Amino acid sequence: EPEVTQTPSHQVTQMGQEVILRCVPISNHLYFYWYRQILGQKVEFLVSFYNNEISEKSEIFDDQFSVERPDGSNFTLKIRSTKLEDSAMYFCASTPPVNEKLFFGSGTQLSVL
Amino acid sequence: AQSVAQPEDQVNVAEGNPLTVKCTYSVSGNPYLFWYVQYPNRGLQFLLKYITGDNLVKGSYGFEAEFNKSQTSFHLKKPSALVSDSALYFCAVRDMWGDYKLSFGAGTTVTVRA
Repeated sequence: EPEVTQTPSHQVTQMGQEVILRCVPISNHLYFYWYRQILGQKVEFLVSFYNNEISEKSEIFDDQFSVERPDGSNFTLKIRSTKLEDSAMYFCASTPPVNEKLFFGSGTQLSVL
Repeated sequence: AQSVAQPEDQVNVAEGNPLTVKCTYSVSGNPYLFWYVQYPNRGLQFLLKYITGDNLVKGSYGFEAEFNKSQTSFHLKKPSALVSDSALYFCAVRDMWGDYKLSFGAGTTVTVRA
């Protein structure tokens, strides 16, 4: 079965640094998402992206966050100036237009020190 | 607004016994309901979904879930649990007329002892 791939699997950064988390969605999918899971807490929606623009974002997704699909293949999440509370597992997901099921990647564990 | 509640943080069962993981939901329209499982150091894997039709939905690895509209519940069940079913289980919901954004429950850790 095709998979959503995410790189890196682990990222350690210093507070205030910029990080870019990378995702390659499944090739025929059209909707893309970022979710995050702080240790011991629920999976939280961050942002959805369709037709090269953000379709919805949560209140977590403030000005420090941005998403991009730079080349029709990759889907990136950028955190401009990381904070300690950004430490979490970040999941990318995608779905084709007529399938209700989200396909998730295996996640990037971000640790902000 | 849409939300999910998983009232149990942990469920412990013996191998071979029935397993139930509870989920209740709240959504303004008709719900689309999902169960995902997360094994250690892995992403979320789809188990099953309810969109419409039969209230009893069958999914991967012998799991099933029963949609109960009057109780707004979507409990996950397996008749005979295996040690390999030990994992973190998430219930999720979205409104039928919304985009594909899912709202997840807090998760239930299932431990199946041999």
